[in-house]
Amino acid sequence: NAGVTQTPKFQVLKTGQSMTLQCAQDMNHEYMSWYRQDPGMGLRLIHYSVGAGITDQGEVPNGYNVSRSTTEDFPLRLLSAAPSQTSVYFCASSWGDTDTQYFGPGTRLTVL
Amino acid sequence: AQKVTQAQTEISVVEKEDVTLDCVYETRDTTYYLFWYKQPPSGELVFLIRRNSFDEQNEISGRYSWNFQKSTSSFNFTITASQVVDSAVYFCALSEAKYSGGGADGLTFGKGTHLIIQP
Repeated sequence: NAGVTQTPKFQVLKTGQSMTLQCAQDMNHEYMSWYRQDPGMGLRLIHYSVGAGITDQGEVPNGYNVSRSTTEDFPLRLLSAAPSQTSVYFCASSWGDTDTQYFGPGTRLTVL
Repeated sequence: AQKVTQAQTEISVVEKEDVTLDCVYETRDTTYYLFWYKQPPSGELVFLIRRNSFDEQNEISGRYSWNFQKSTSSFNFTITASQVVDSAVYFCALSEAKYSGGGADGLTFGKGTHLIIQP
């Protein structure tokens, strides 16, 4: 049981490049979410999903896209990277939106 | 809108001292859930506790204890006889009632308290 996995662990992009951060969970959780963590800001919700085929925006969705074609996977796409998207990204999953969320190890993204 | 305030940005104590981390929250819902997470220097987020709004009983788990007071909208965390391994950033978080599809569901985090335990 791997829990929540994220790839890559580190990534450096140039402004304007696109990429996908991968997130997978093997706990059969319905709810998955993406957060970003910036110094002194805590974690902020980007997008979330309550089940396959259902996604919605969180607090800071601009510049990011998500889809949920399977229960296990919830990729986060950066369409055109900007320096303001330099952050640590965490994926999380839980049974429901108010249940305990279990976090992946994070992806540290730097946009130059 | 929901909000979580952790007014203590950094606390430094000497090992074996007791330390309390404060958490104050705001919500208009009567049903909500409160959480504490630990983020050690390695960076992962470790779940510590989940408490629902209808259960005001204090909880103790080893050296950790939590004091939930709805009257003051606080959910404070105390570490007794602190140890160097307790050094980490601690986050308090709030989740309101079930998915509404109106956006911004999920956890609302405080900005965290950096706890430093000196040997």
